[in-house]
Amino acid sequence: AQSVAQPEDQVNVAEGNPLTVKCTYSVSGNPYLFWYVQYPNRGLQFLLKYITGDNLVKGSYGFEAEFNKSQTSFHLKKPSALVSDSALYFCAVRDRSSGSARQLTFGSGTQLTVLP
Amino acid sequence: DTAVSQTPKYLVTQMGNDKSIKCEQNLGHDTMYWYKQDSKKFLKIMFSYNNKELIINETVPNRFSPKSPDKAHLNLHINSLELGDSAVYFCASSFWTGTEEQFFGPGTRLTVL
Repeated sequence: AQSVAQPEDQVNVAEGNPLTVKCTYSVSGNPYLFWYVQYPNRGLQFLLKYITGDNLVKGSYGFEAEFNKSQTSFHLKKPSALVSDSALYFCAVRDRSSGSARQLTFGSGTQLTVLP
Repeated sequence: DTAVSQTPKYLVTQMGNDKSIKCEQNLGHDTMYWYKQDSKKFLKIMFSYNNKELIINETVPNRFSPKSPDKAHLNLHINSLELGDSAVYFCASSFWTGTEEQFFGPGTRLTVL
């Protein structure tokens, strides 16, 4: 079974400050990990993914995430937050050993608010 | 050009009615999905099709029936609508590799009265 947890429903940060949105996962094998962002009344947009290789992955809009196998975490980070980053962020996981199903399991989402 | 499109964007209907939501993608993907997002924003996979073949069928009531006429289309038909079906339904598509990101449509907000 695969699961993902986003422990914070809401994260508030001042514009210009660094931001972190937390994600931990559970899989029986090794994970593929993804971050998506959802703006109001829109579909999800892909930000970045970890498949293999470097633990630090860089994505769209200046976001990055670090894969930490020992802590089973994949936290999303940005050095300097913008008001326009305010949105709902989803972490998702797929177990590499999930065979033909290949389905993603999404976290519950974290609402990020960047205050001007 | 819209990559993944859904129609309609909004759907308001009475309990007991039957309705359909259509989805089309022009990305050349071979796999398409239907997700349900509830009022608390939880996102849950409902169905997945690869090359018109059903791959994932989560514990969804059989009132929900997906149909994939070709790789670019995945429609969702819902019979005997219930209040609890009210949600936002998202279509998505990707390549079958499993490492590729999914591209989401704009969603269809279904309200059952």
